[in-house]
Amino acid sequence: DAGVIQSPRHEVTEMGQEVTLRCKPISGHNSLFWYRQTMMRGLELLIYFNNNVPIDDSGMPEDRFSAKMPNASFSTLKIQPSEPRDSAVYFCASSRPGTGVHEQYFGPGTRLTVT
Amino acid sequence: AQSVTQLGSHVSVSEGALVLLRCNYSSSVPPYLFWYVQYPNQGLQLLLKYTSAATLVKGINGFEAEFKKSETSFHLTKPSAHMSDAAEYFCAVSESGGNKLVFGAGTILRVKS
Repeated sequence: DAGVIQSPRHEVTEMGQEVTLRCKPISGHNSLFWYRQTMMRGLELLIYFNNNVPIDDSGMPEDRFSAKMPNASFSTLKIQPSEPRDSAVYFCASSRPGTGVHEQYFGPGTRLTVT
Repeated sequence: AQSVTQLGSHVSVSEGALVLLRCNYSSSVPPYLFWYVQYPNQGLQLLLKYTSAATLVKGINGFEAEFKKSETSFHLTKPSAHMSDAAEYFCAVSESGGNKLVFGAGTILRVKS
């Protein structure tokens, strides 16, 4: 089975531009998580969806960040406008029904560089 | 609030030596505890998990961890390190029924030949 798929794998953009990161969770998984990883702050949970509904978005840094999950097989994380401090690796993870946060499968990540 | 402390941001061992990566947690309720491994340029992979069953948990690649409530610890061990074990390891905690996994800062394991 394919794992969690993220695209693009690398994104380089200029400050002020809109960035959209994409995630396809593992088929049959009903929870989806977006994380950000930086050297300074480590791994941070940004937002968590269950059955396509956002459950906890307390980790979203500010209004420039938004996430959607229009269906069970697709989610996006959008940054508009992007800033250099948004440079990080963004991970998407998913989990099966009944496991919630407790057994997450991570995608390979998107490395975002904002210049 | 839950938190995780990993002692030592870098650990170096010789090939064949014991691997010991330390993790202490803080939780107001009985926790669920996890170890994840991250290889370079990859996402995190679950190594093992403790969810209130046996206190000694065995995972993949020969790793195991022991939950010690009295010490609030969940250290990761492997009897004999392989070069392929070189990676970054993350300890994480969540509360039973909780909706958030809190990760430690990570420990980079280096294996010397």
